[in-house]
Amino acid sequence: SQQGEEDPQALSIQEGENATMNCSYKTSINNLQWYRQNSGRGLVHLILIRSNEREKHSGRLRVTLDTSKKSSSLLITASRAADTASYFCATSDGYQKVTFGIGTKLQVIP
Amino acid sequence: ETGVTQTPRHLVMGMTNKKSLKCEQHLGHNAMYWYKQSAKKPLELMFVYNFKEQTENNSVPSRFSPECPNSSHLFLHLHTLQPEDSALYLCASSQLASGNEQFFGPGTRLTVL
Repeated sequence: SQQGEEDPQALSIQEGENATMNCSYKTSINNLQWYRQNSGRGLVHLILIRSNEREKHSGRLRVTLDTSKKSSSLLITASRAADTASYFCATSDGYQKVTFGIGTKLQVIP
Repeated sequence: ETGVTQTPRHLVMGMTNKKSLKCEQHLGHNAMYWYKQSAKKPLELMFVYNFKEQTENNSVPSRFSPECPNSSHLFLHLHTLQPEDSALYLCASSQLASGNEQFFGPGTRLTVL
């Protein structure tokens, strides 16, 4: 299974702190994506990192990918209350199959 | 929210009812998806459509019946559901060969009594 497994399942931090979430997967991938979901809403795509990339940045987001360890991390710097959401990693075969993990529930306390 | 709309947003139905969920994408994409999201479980892919043709059915029970009349519209027809089918049903779309970034609708919260 290519299912991503996020760690931790829940994370609570103070506003201004950094939040780090990890994702592990089992088989080879074409790319790995991170999504955010606010409570009861649809998922929003945050960032995609290809299997030949090691690090990618987008605003306050930094994603790393280690294909030898089959793991990825998402770092949110200088967190804000509005970052409170669930974050999912999703592995892709490069065509259409995108497999999601259970997610990390992040709470940022003002 | 990102060019994918779903109706209704909330639905309560009895086990003998027949209802349909609707999804519409305004992004010019050529692939559409249905997912089921239950508490404490990974997002489950149910159906995939490419250019209106179903390309994947992930062993979904026949009480769920998808329909894709064109590349902008996707329906999920529901019939004789079970209480365990209560979940958030998410529709998504993407452009084939784009790296699979998927754009999601807000979902339909379904409760089966």
